[in-house]
Amino acid sequence: GEDVEQSLFLSVREGDSSVINCTYTDSSSTYLYWYKQEPGAGLQLLTYIFSNMDMKQDQRLTVLLNKKDKHLSLRIADTQTGDSAIYFCAAQTGANNLFFGTGTRLTVIP
Amino acid sequence: GAGVSQSPSNKVTEKGKDVELRCDPISGHTALYWYRQSLGQGLEFLIYFQGNSAPDKSGLPSDRFSAERTGGSVSTLTIQRTQQEDSAVYLCASSRPGFGAFFGQGTRLTVV
Repeated sequence: GEDVEQSLFLSVREGDSSVINCTYTDSSSTYLYWYKQEPGAGLQLLTYIFSNMDMKQDQRLTVLLNKKDKHLSLRIADTQTGDSAIYFCAAQTGANNLFFGTGTRLTVIP
Repeated sequence: GAGVSQSPSNKVTEKGKDVELRCDPISGHTALYWYRQSLGQGLEFLIYFQGNSAPDKSGLPSDRFSAERTGGSVSTLTIQRTQQEDSAVYLCASSRPGFGAFFGQGTRLTVV
C-alpha cells in the first residue's frame, strides 16, 4: 500500500499562518484529501485536490500540490484557536483504498 | 440518512466476549472502510469494501477480526474473543470515487 507521512506536531500563534505538510509515495495518486479531527470527535473532510491541479483555495484554506515531489501542504491563514485539532492527509488512487497519514496535531497559542 | 451512522456509540464488554459493530453508509456510496484509532494515535486501516469486488482485508490485525457488507450497504465488524488491546474507537467511512470518504462518529469499544 501507499505510505503517507506527516510531521506529528505544529504550534503557531493565533493570527499567524499554519502550514501542515504531507508526503506520499504513490505517483498515481489521483485524489488527495485533508481531514480535521477535533478532540473527541470524528473526522471531518476539510478539502481535497485532484492530481491535475496544483493549487486550490477555499476561504482561509490553501492546498498546494507538488506532484513531482509527491508533496501536499495545507495552509491555514489567520489561524484561530478553533483551528486546534489533528489534521490528517489522505491519498487515493482512482476507486482504490484510501491511505491516511499519522496526523499532525496543531496547537494554536493565544 | 444524511451521514454515516455507526452503532453502538459506546460499547463496554468483558474480555473474551464477542462484539459486533455496525455501520450504515451514505446511500449510493460504493466504498466502505473500517479504521480504528487508539487513544492519541493515528488511523489504523482494517478493511475496505468496494462494490462487488473482494474486500481488502490486509489491515485486519488477527483472525479474531472479520467484517461483512450485506447487499452493498450495511457493514458489520465482528471481533471475537475480545482482548484489552482491542480497546479503541472504531471508525467507519463511505465514499464515492473522487469525493472523499465521509466518516461516522465511531464506536468507542472498551474491553474490561
